[in-house]
Amino acid sequence: EAQVTQNPRYLITVTGKKLTVTCSQNMNHEYMSWYRQDPGLGLRQIYYSMNVEVTDKGDVPEGYKVSRKEKRNFPLILESPSPNQTSLYFCASSSVLGLAGLRPYEQYFGPGTRLTVT
Amino acid sequence: KNEVEQSPQNLTAQEGEFITINCSYSVGISALHWLQQHPGGGIVSLFMLSSGKKKHGRLIATINIQEKHSSLHITASHPRDSAVYICAVSLRNTGNQFYFGTGTSLTVIP
Repeated sequence: EAQVTQNPRYLITVTGKKLTVTCSQNMNHEYMSWYRQDPGLGLRQIYYSMNVEVTDKGDVPEGYKVSRKEKRNFPLILESPSPNQTSLYFCASSSVLGLAGLRPYEQYFGPGTRLTVT
Repeated sequence: KNEVEQSPQNLTAQEGEFITINCSYSVGISALHWLQQHPGGGIVSLFMLSSGKKKHGRLIATINIQEKHSSLHITASHPRDSAVYICAVSLRNTGNQFYFGTGTSLTVIP
């Protein structure tokens, strides 16, 4: 079954304690991305990756790190979480299309990770 | 500033009604996406558009590039269509970066 998996699904942690949210896809997609969703603000892009070892900042990258060492995995790292990073996080992946400028196709989303930082 | 604006924010309809959700954007885009977020939180992609019109079952999406506007239509609405519908754009100059509208919450009453 084609899917994007995220772990953990729920996490409560304390300020400053490093954490990693994993994301994995089994569709051999080139494009992967992390988003956060907050009430009233909607979805905002944190980081994205066009392929292995290629990552770029989205709209709200501060306080987050990512890596793309394998095509299927795209972990999100919070080195020193703060309460303002309490949010619902989604990972997504897609194939890319276009010869003159690759762009992501329709995205498959993971189930979400609800993070609370106290 | 918000690059993507959706209207209405909330919409209640009777079963069977024709529904329209609008999306306007202010930047040059390479594509526009419509997403559906279920009450349980899961998100699925409905359409990706760069021009014209697409149809999947009772859902129709249109885009007018010159007017920077897209609409999502639902014909013969059903209670199972109740969800949040989200418009997203990928920017032309950075075609891999996405911006999102804040969503339209649709409730279809039997």
